[in-house]
Amino acid sequence: DTAVSQTPKYLVTQMGNDKSIKCEQNLGHDTMYWYKQDSKKFLKIMFSYNNKELIINETVPNRFSPKSPDKAHLNLHINSLELGDSAVYFCASSRTNTGELFFGEGSRLTVL
Amino acid sequence: GQQLNQSPQSMFIQEGEDVSMNCTSSSIFNTWLWYKQEPGEGPVLLIALYKAGELTSNGRLTAQFGITRKDSFLNISASIPSDVGIYFCAGTTSGTYKYIFGTGTRLKVLA
Repeated sequence: DTAVSQTPKYLVTQMGNDKSIKCEQNLGHDTMYWYKQDSKKFLKIMFSYNNKELIINETVPNRFSPKSPDKAHLNLHINSLELGDSAVYFCASSRTNTGELFFGEGSRLTVL
Repeated sequence: GQQLNQSPQSMFIQEGEDVSMNCTSSSIFNTWLWYKQEPGEGPVLLIALYKAGELTSNGRLTAQFGITRKDSFLNISASIPSDVGIYFCAGTTSGTYKYIFGTGTRLKVLA
């Protein structure tokens, strides 16, 4: 069983479209995150959630809206996609806010 | 956004050589993590460190939590071709709910 799974693995879309990425973890963790990895491989936090509550929004544009329906799921919806949104988006989870952090396999978004 | 200083940025080494890399922060951390990422995959956790001065091994990998709590080190002994990848450090402080990542060390091993 995959611990942190996200879908889809690849998205290719036109500028201006809306897209969603889904994430699920079966580790029983309380905290979930979205990270963005750019073309230089820098990993930057976007959001963190603890027990379904938003804790961190790291100055991400309003076009990005995360939603956590329960502790095991954290989805990311992106409106009005722009070229600069092209990146790999990683979901991650941890049991506590200082425990081991586990990543999904990533969702590669390409905006044309 | 904040990033940790990680060095070296890249390394080309011969198979069998030892590798050292480090990470420094301007902030104190409670936890240091080390990851390896291969192309097309997510970062995979290698070692977790929770106490200043802690030295932890995972096979040929050894990592240390710096005494100042502002740095960490990763050593790989007797490198093999499958060690190729990007190695990241990450640190966090209790209550911040975010892990800050290093800029990565790209390792290439020549057989």
